[in-house]
Order: sequence, then C-alpha cells, then structure tokens
Amino acid sequence: EAGVVQSPRYKIIEKKQPVAFWCNPISGHNTLYWYLQNLGQGPELLIRYENEEAVDDSQLPKDRFSAERLKGVDSTLKIQPAELGDSAVYLCASSNSVTDTQYFGPGTRLTVL
Amino acid sequence: EDQVTQSPEALRLQEGESSSLNCSYTVSGLRGLFWYRQDPGKGPEFLFTLYSAGEEKEKERLKATLTKKESFLHITAPKPEDSATYLCAVLPGANSKLTFGKGITLSVRP
Repeated sequence: EAGVVQSPRYKIIEKKQPVAFWCNPISGHNTLYWYLQNLGQGPELLIRYENEEAVDDSQLPKDRFSAERLKGVDSTLKIQPAELGDSAVYLCASSNSVTDTQYFGPGTRLTVL
Repeated sequence: EDQVTQSPEALRLQEGESSSLNCSYTVSGLRGLFWYRQDPGKGPEFLFTLYSAGEEKEKERLKATLTKKESFLHITAPKPEDSATYLCAVLPGANSKLTFGKGITLSVRP
C-alpha cells in the first residue's frame, strides 16, 4: 500500500514569493492533516480536513496561508507571500475513520531567503 | 491545555546498553498516546498506540508502556540503526488534535 505522498520534497524561494505544497493521502483515508515542524520541535497542526471540509483551521495563519482539498482526496497548502519565518518542514498526514492513527508523508522542506 | 514533555532531550547509548525514554503528559481525557520514530529528512513513522493505563506494546527491541501520567519507551539492547528522534503525542477525547512533544534524539554508538 502506498503511503502519503508529498511534493516537492524541497523548495527554496525568495521572501514575498508564493509557494504551494501538494499532498496525496493514503487511499481510503478521509481525514487529512497539514502540520508545521520547526527544527528541534514536534509537529504542530495547521489544518485538519474531514473529506472536503476544513473542520479545524484555528492554527492556520489565514492572512497568508490557505489550503484546499477538492474532491476530498488531494490537498494543496499555499503561502502567499512567504516570510523568512516560514522556513520549516511542512508535513501532511492522513487517517481513516476506523483508527486514530495518523500516517505521515516525507514532508516538504521550505527555505525562504 | 494539553501538554507533552519528553526527557531527556538527547540520549547517547553504547550498542547493547538498554535504556528508557520518558513522555509525561497532561490531557483532558486521553483517547490515545502515540509513539513515532523520525529519521533525519523524513516524516514521522508510526510505532505504537496506547489507549489505557497498564497497556504495553512491543515491536522488536522496543516496548511502550502507559500510566495515567506518563509513558515509557524501553529500548532493549539497542543497535546503531535505532538511532533516530522518538516523538510522543497525545490525542484528547474531546477532539482530534494530536499534541506532540519535542522529541528525544537517540544516538547508539557501535
């Protein structure tokens, strides 16, 4: 069974530029999560989707971050404009309705110069 | 507010030297406690879920235990390939927000 797929794996951009990350969850997983992980820290939730609906986006900085999950499968996280402090690893995870276990993708390492 | 504290921050062991990693937590109604392993440049890899005090789970050289206030990840006779960061996370009963600790970086010398 394929795991969570994320792309790109690495991204380097100049500050004030836009950037987008893509995630394809494990097949059949209706819940999708985006996390932010800073160096030396655990992941922190940005947004959680149940199918197409964003059910928890309280930690998403909505002035510059946006996310969508069209058709309840793939998801895209966007930052516009990026700031120096956005440099981090962006992780996507998914889970199904049977267990609470979240399975993570490899992450996208963002560097903002 | 849910909190997870992991200790020590870093641990260096000699190959074969058994030890334990600690995860202390406060949560409003624990629905589950999770252990993940994270290698450099990779996403967290699921290891165990524990649901109630007294529960234990094992996988190869790893054994996870749970009490009402903390969880331990015991590593028996570790090998260099066990070197990684081990993350602990709690899931409260009220919602689906997973709260992680900062992780413990384990280094096993041959």
